Amino acid sequence: GENVEQHPSTLSVQEGDSAVIKCTYSDSASNYFPWYKQELGKRPQLIIDIRSNVGEKKDQRIAVTLNKTAKHFSLHITETQPEDSAVYFCAALATNKLIFGTGTLLAVQP
Amino acid sequence: DAGVIQSPRHEVTEMGQEVTLRCKPISGHNSLFWYRQTMMRGLELLIYFNNNVPIDDSGMPEDRFSAKMPNASFSTLKIQPSEPRDSAVYFCASSFIGLNTEAFFGQGTRLTVV
Repeated sequence: GENVEQHPSTLSVQEGDSAVIKCTYSDSASNYFPWYKQELGKRPQLIIDIRSNVGEKKDQRIAVTLNKTAKHFSLHITETQPEDSAVYFCAALATNKLIFGTGTLLAVQP
Repeated sequence: DAGVIQSPRHEVTEMGQEVTLRCKPISGHNSLFWYRQTMMRGLELLIYFNNNVPIDDSGMPEDRFSAKMPNASFSTLKIQPSEPRDSAVYFCASSFIGLNTEAFFGQGTRLTVV
């Protein structure tokens, strides 16, 4: 079955710097890759997603890239702000099963 | 739509007791997922349903766990008997696979087994 690995598990950056979180997946049939943000004590919420027919997608300060050959996808956050501090999860959808990575705790230091 | 609704929000129970968690998915969604979240394991997929039918329950940890979806608007996750290591936050999520695909999460149920 699908296995999603996510790195790093924790990431600390200075406000204004960029943050990059990387994921790999195992099932070549995966065709949808969402990213979720979970603030403390709250539910995970979708922040951006990408489908397998696209290599890159951007939404203001966040962007996601996908390399299907290498089975890698990454989340890029530019000009980080304290409110970006949260746990971020990548996920991959294969055969209707949504599998999550183990999460990255991002801390943005003011 | 009010989103995915889970109940209860918090549950404290004694070891050995039966626990039932409930979920109402978003109307019109055809897929429902149950996840367990812990610090050590992150978000683990326990089971998912498509059109009310259980498709994959390989993530269910033991026979003590069972899940049902009797209709398109209701699902339950039951633990019997409960153990302290079952303590976690349990999330239900629903989506329409094949159209938007975005999975929407409920608020979660924080389960504590003492």
